[in-house]
Amino acid sequence: EDQVTQSPEALRLQEGESSSLNCSYTVSGLRGLFWYRQDPGKGPEFLFTLYSAGEEKEKERLKATLTKKESFLHITAPKPEDSATYLCAVQFYGGSQGNLIFGKGTKLSVKP
Amino acid sequence: ETGVTQTPRHLVMGMTNKKSLKCEQHLGHNAMYWYKQSAKKPLELMFVYSLEERVENNSVPSRFSPECPNSSHLFLHLHTLQPEDSALYLCASSQGQLSGGYTFGSGTRLTVV
Repeated sequence: EDQVTQSPEALRLQEGESSSLNCSYTVSGLRGLFWYRQDPGKGPEFLFTLYSAGEEKEKERLKATLTKKESFLHITAPKPEDSATYLCAVQFYGGSQGNLIFGKGTKLSVKP
Repeated sequence: ETGVTQTPRHLVMGMTNKKSLKCEQHLGHNAMYWYKQSAKKPLELMFVYSLEERVENNSVPSRFSPECPNSSHLFLHLHTLQPEDSALYLCASSQGQLSGGYTFGSGTRLTVV
Protein backbone atom coordinates (compact mmCIF):
# COMPACT_ATOMS: atom_id res chain seq x y z
CA GLU A 1 0.00 0.00 0.00
CA ASP A 2 1.38 3.36 -1.09
CA GLN A 3 1.92 5.79 1.74
CA VAL A 4 2.21 8.74 -0.62
CA THR A 5 -0.11 9.03 -3.61
CA GLN A 6 0.15 11.73 -6.24
CA SER A 7 -2.53 12.60 -8.75
CA PRO A 8 -2.93 12.92 -11.59
CA GLU A 9 -0.09 10.83 -13.02
CA ALA A 10 0.13 13.20 -15.96
CA LEU A 11 -1.35 16.62 -16.64
CA ARG A 12 -1.38 18.58 -19.88
CA LEU A 13 -2.12 22.28 -19.71
CA GLN A 14 -2.20 25.15 -22.15
CA GLU A 15 0.04 28.06 -21.32
CA GLY A 16 -1.82 30.27 -18.85
CA GLU A 17 -4.25 27.54 -17.77
CA SER A 18 -4.00 27.29 -13.97
CA SER A 19 -4.40 23.97 -12.19
CA SER A 20 -3.41 21.97 -9.10
CA LEU A 21 -1.47 18.81 -8.36
CA ASN A 22 -2.40 16.63 -5.41
CA CYS A 23 -0.32 14.69 -2.90
CA SER A 24 -2.14 12.60 -0.30
CA TYR A 25 -0.47 10.64 2.47
CA THR A 26 -1.52 7.96 4.93
CA VAL A 27 1.30 8.19 7.45
CA SER A 28 0.53 9.49 10.92
CA GLY A 29 2.75 11.86 12.79
CA LEU A 30 3.82 13.98 9.82
CA ARG A 31 7.07 15.76 10.45
CA GLY A 32 7.31 17.47 7.07
CA LEU A 33 6.10 17.36 3.48
CA PHE A 34 8.42 18.26 0.64
CA TRP A 35 7.90 19.17 -3.00
CA TYR A 36 10.55 18.63 -5.66
CA ARG A 37 10.75 19.34 -9.37
CA GLN A 38 12.56 16.93 -11.71
CA ASP A 39 13.51 17.75 -15.29
CA PRO A 40 14.33 14.98 -17.77
CA GLY A 41 17.87 13.66 -17.32
CA LYS A 42 18.36 15.50 -14.04
CA GLY A 43 17.98 14.84 -10.34
CA PRO A 44 15.09 16.27 -8.32
CA GLU A 45 15.35 19.91 -7.30
CA PHE A 46 14.00 20.93 -3.92
CA LEU A 47 11.10 23.42 -4.00
CA PHE A 48 9.23 23.66 -0.68
CA THR A 49 8.92 22.30 2.83
CA LEU A 50 5.59 22.35 4.69
CA TYR A 51 5.35 21.39 8.35
CA SER A 52 1.82 22.03 9.60
CA ALA A 53 -1.76 22.11 8.34
CA GLY A 54 -2.67 25.53 7.01
CA GLU A 55 0.87 26.40 6.01
CA GLU A 56 1.48 27.84 2.55
CA LYS A 57 4.67 28.50 0.57
CA GLU A 58 5.06 30.37 -2.71
CA LYS A 59 7.69 30.60 -5.40
CA GLU A 60 6.98 32.42 -8.64
CA ARG A 61 3.95 30.69 -10.21
CA LEU A 62 3.89 27.86 -7.66
CA LYS A 63 2.08 27.75 -4.35
CA ALA A 64 2.10 24.75 -2.03
CA THR A 65 -0.53 24.20 0.66
CA LEU A 66 -0.95 21.56 3.35
CA THR A 67 -3.93 20.01 5.13
CA LYS A 68 -3.98 17.14 7.59
CA LYS A 69 -4.12 14.51 4.88
CA GLU A 70 -2.93 16.11 1.67
CA SER A 71 -0.99 18.83 -0.03
CA PHE A 72 -1.68 20.75 -3.19
CA LEU A 73 0.75 22.36 -5.57
CA HIS A 74 -1.10 25.15 -7.33
CA ILE A 75 0.31 26.40 -10.61
CA THR A 76 -0.94 29.80 -11.69
CA ALA A 77 -0.71 30.83 -15.34
CA PRO A 78 1.90 28.19 -16.17
CA LYS A 79 4.54 28.62 -18.84
CA PRO A 80 6.18 25.93 -21.00
CA GLU A 81 9.28 26.10 -18.78
CA ASP A 82 7.18 24.78 -15.90
CA SER A 83 6.98 21.44 -17.70
CA ALA A 84 8.59 18.82 -15.47
CA THR A 85 7.75 15.97 -13.12
CA TYR A 86 6.73 17.17 -9.68
CA LEU A 87 7.53 14.87 -6.78
CA CYS A 88 6.07 14.90 -3.29
CA ALA A 89 7.78 13.32 -0.28
CA VAL A 90 6.85 12.95 3.38
CA GLN A 91 8.87 12.52 6.51
CA PHE A 92 7.19 11.32 9.69
CA TYR A 93 8.06 11.03 13.34
CA GLY A 94 9.19 7.54 14.18
CA GLY A 95 10.07 6.87 10.58
CA SER A 96 13.32 5.13 9.93
CA GLN A 97 15.91 7.78 10.72
CA GLY A 98 13.57 10.43 9.36
CA ASN A 99 13.95 9.24 5.78
CA LEU A 100 11.78 10.61 3.00
CA ILE A 101 9.01 8.55 1.40
CA PHE A 102 8.38 9.67 -2.17
CA GLY A 103 5.32 9.51 -4.38
CA LYS A 104 5.50 8.46 -8.03
CA GLY A 105 5.19 12.03 -9.25
CA THR A 106 2.98 14.03 -11.60
CA LYS A 107 4.33 14.73 -15.07
CA LEU A 108 3.27 18.21 -16.11
CA SER A 109 3.34 19.35 -19.74
CA VAL A 110 2.57 22.97 -20.58
CA LYS A 111 1.94 23.70 -24.25
CA PRO A 112 2.46 27.17 -25.74
CA GLU B 1 32.27 23.22 -8.59
CA THR B 2 29.24 23.44 -6.32
CA GLY B 3 26.34 21.11 -5.60
CA VAL B 4 26.33 17.35 -5.97
CA THR B 5 28.29 15.81 -8.82
CA GLN B 6 27.84 12.24 -10.02
CA THR B 7 30.04 10.30 -12.42
CA PRO B 8 29.69 8.71 -14.83
CA ARG B 9 26.45 10.10 -16.27
CA HIS B 10 25.84 6.94 -18.26
CA LEU B 11 27.10 3.40 -17.75
CA VAL B 12 26.52 0.19 -19.68
CA MET B 13 27.83 -2.94 -18.03
CA GLY B 14 27.60 -6.66 -18.47
CA MET B 15 26.28 -8.90 -15.74
CA THR B 16 29.76 -10.13 -14.88
CA ASN B 17 31.42 -6.71 -14.71
CA LYS B 18 32.46 -4.71 -11.68
CA LYS B 19 32.02 -0.95 -11.75
CA SER B 20 31.69 1.94 -9.32
CA LEU B 21 29.52 5.03 -9.23
CA LYS B 22 30.96 8.17 -7.68
CA CYS B 23 29.27 11.05 -5.90
CA GLU B 24 30.89 14.21 -4.60
CA GLN B 25 29.31 17.11 -2.72
CA HIS B 26 30.79 20.53 -2.04
CA LEU B 27 28.02 21.82 0.20
CA GLY B 28 29.46 20.92 3.59
CA HIS B 29 26.57 18.53 4.23
CA ASN B 30 26.97 15.68 6.72
CA ALA B 31 24.46 13.16 5.36
CA MET B 32 24.57 11.43 1.98
CA TYR B 33 22.14 9.07 0.26
CA TRP B 34 21.85 6.64 -2.63
CA TYR B 35 18.46 6.36 -4.34
CA LYS B 36 17.28 4.16 -7.18
CA GLN B 37 14.75 5.59 -9.65
CA SER B 38 12.93 3.18 -11.96
CA ALA B 39 10.16 3.95 -14.42
CA LYS B 40 6.67 4.09 -12.89
CA LYS B 41 8.06 3.65 -9.36
CA PRO B 42 8.76 6.08 -6.52
CA LEU B 43 12.33 6.86 -5.61
CA GLU B 44 13.67 3.97 -3.56
CA LEU B 45 16.11 4.71 -0.75
CA MET B 46 19.08 2.35 -0.84
CA PHE B 47 21.65 3.61 1.63
CA VAL B 48 22.09 6.46 4.11
CA TYR B 49 25.35 7.73 5.53
CA SER B 50 25.39 10.19 8.40
CA LEU B 51 28.71 11.59 9.59
CA GLU B 52 30.40 8.98 7.38
CA GLU B 53 28.69 6.05 9.10
CA ARG B 54 26.12 3.90 7.37
CA VAL B 55 22.83 4.23 9.23
CA GLU B 56 20.42 2.65 6.76
CA ASN B 57 20.47 -0.29 4.40
CA ASN B 58 17.02 -0.85 2.95
CA SER B 59 17.29 -4.56 2.20
CA VAL B 60 19.48 -3.86 -0.78
CA PRO B 61 21.05 -6.92 -2.46
CA SER B 62 24.69 -7.49 -1.62
CA ARG B 63 25.65 -6.93 -5.27
CA PHE B 64 25.40 -3.23 -4.34
CA SER B 65 28.10 -2.12 -1.91
CA PRO B 66 28.36 1.49 -0.67
CA GLU B 67 31.45 3.26 0.58
CA CYS B 68 31.80 6.66 2.24
CA PRO B 69 35.49 7.47 2.75
CA ASN B 70 34.79 11.03 3.96
CA SER B 71 31.92 13.45 4.30
CA SER B 72 32.29 14.74 0.73
CA HIS B 73 32.49 11.48 -1.20
CA LEU B 74 30.19 8.52 -1.66
CA PHE B 75 30.63 5.48 -3.87
CA LEU B 76 28.37 2.67 -4.97
CA HIS B 77 30.29 -0.44 -6.01
CA LEU B 78 28.47 -2.73 -8.41
CA HIS B 79 29.16 -6.39 -9.21
CA THR B 80 27.29 -9.21 -10.91
CA LEU B 81 24.24 -7.06 -11.53
CA GLN B 82 20.99 -8.22 -13.11
CA PRO B 83 19.11 -6.59 -16.00
CA GLU B 84 16.39 -5.47 -13.54
CA ASP B 85 19.02 -3.31 -11.84
CA SER B 86 18.97 -1.01 -14.85
CA ALA B 87 17.76 2.37 -13.54
CA LEU B 88 18.78 5.92 -12.72
CA TYR B 89 20.91 5.99 -9.58
CA LEU B 90 20.75 9.25 -7.70
CA CYS B 91 23.00 10.57 -4.99
CA ALA B 92 21.77 13.23 -2.57
CA SER B 93 23.09 15.13 0.41
CA SER B 94 21.60 17.12 3.27
CA GLN B 95 22.63 18.97 6.38
CA GLY B 96 21.44 16.49 8.98
CA GLN B 97 19.26 13.45 8.33
CA LEU B 98 16.11 15.22 9.50
CA SER B 99 16.42 17.89 6.83
CA GLY B 100 14.12 16.92 3.99
CA GLY B 101 15.53 19.50 1.66
CA TYR B 102 17.96 17.20 -0.11
CA THR B 103 20.29 18.31 -2.87
CA PHE B 104 20.39 15.70 -5.61
CA GLY B 105 22.97 15.02 -8.26
CA SER B 106 21.97 14.47 -11.89
CA GLY B 107 22.28 10.72 -11.53
CA THR B 108 23.97 7.85 -13.34
CA ARG B 109 21.84 6.12 -15.96
CA LEU B 110 22.81 2.45 -15.60
CA THR B 111 22.04 -0.20 -18.18
CA VAL B 112 22.86 -3.83 -17.41
CA VAL B 113 23.12 -6.06 -20.48
